[in-house]
Amino acid sequence: GAGVSQSPSNKVTEKGKDVELRCDPISGHTALYWYRQSLGQGLEFLIYFQGNSAPDKSGLPSDRFSAERTGGSVSTLTIQRTQQEDSAVYLCASSSDTTSYEQYFGPGTRLTVT
Amino acid sequence: AQKVTQAQTEISVVEKEDVTLDCVYETRDTTYYLFWYKQPPSGELVFLIRRNSFDEQNEISGRYSWNFQKSTSSFNFTITASQVVDSAVYFCALSEARTGANNLFFGTGTRLTVIP
Repeated sequence: GAGVSQSPSNKVTEKGKDVELRCDPISGHTALYWYRQSLGQGLEFLIYFQGNSAPDKSGLPSDRFSAERTGGSVSTLTIQRTQQEDSAVYLCASSSDTTSYEQYFGPGTRLTVT
Repeated sequence: AQKVTQAQTEISVVEKEDVTLDCVYETRDTTYYLFWYKQPPSGELVFLIRRNSFDEQNEISGRYSWNFQKSTSSFNFTITASQVVDSAVYFCALSEARTGANNLFFGTGTRLTVIP
């Protein structure tokens, strides 16, 4: 595709349920990032994948959050036992490691935990 | 620790006015990158510019210009002759070139409203 795509665009879930958010990066981009945008916290880095290297998980807020990237392409962010404070827009971005640090963002998934 | 400050939370200007959005950053790295992103009402972040710490030349792209000053740790963004389509939230961001880490640290954003 032409840009980063994310699905679903909106997700409403009940507190305590698990959710999975998907990101398809730009074809050929080796780096993939997840960010969270919420009213109280602004834009926060969550996790970063680069090629086959171990991911940088330093931004994950708790052990309820995890992410994986299969085949160096598609990534899934999983939130277990969701809490109301997890409500936010989750943004995915990708970049080519040959163009220094320029990240292209997807449209985001708006998660609402009721 | 790294930090990006956008002190202006909201700015309103009348169409055709010039407007400058301020960004002040903190980092201990000597090699870093600064960015501006635009987030229109549709929500998708749009990349505007990237500057590296070794290049202090100002840049102009159409009505947009950027002033990077290491002496004051600032990377300000000016829109000349603003238009209604410029209405958006603008984020300044910092990336440090430490090995294996190039995630973005964002400021809190400045909401710009251009009044017709």
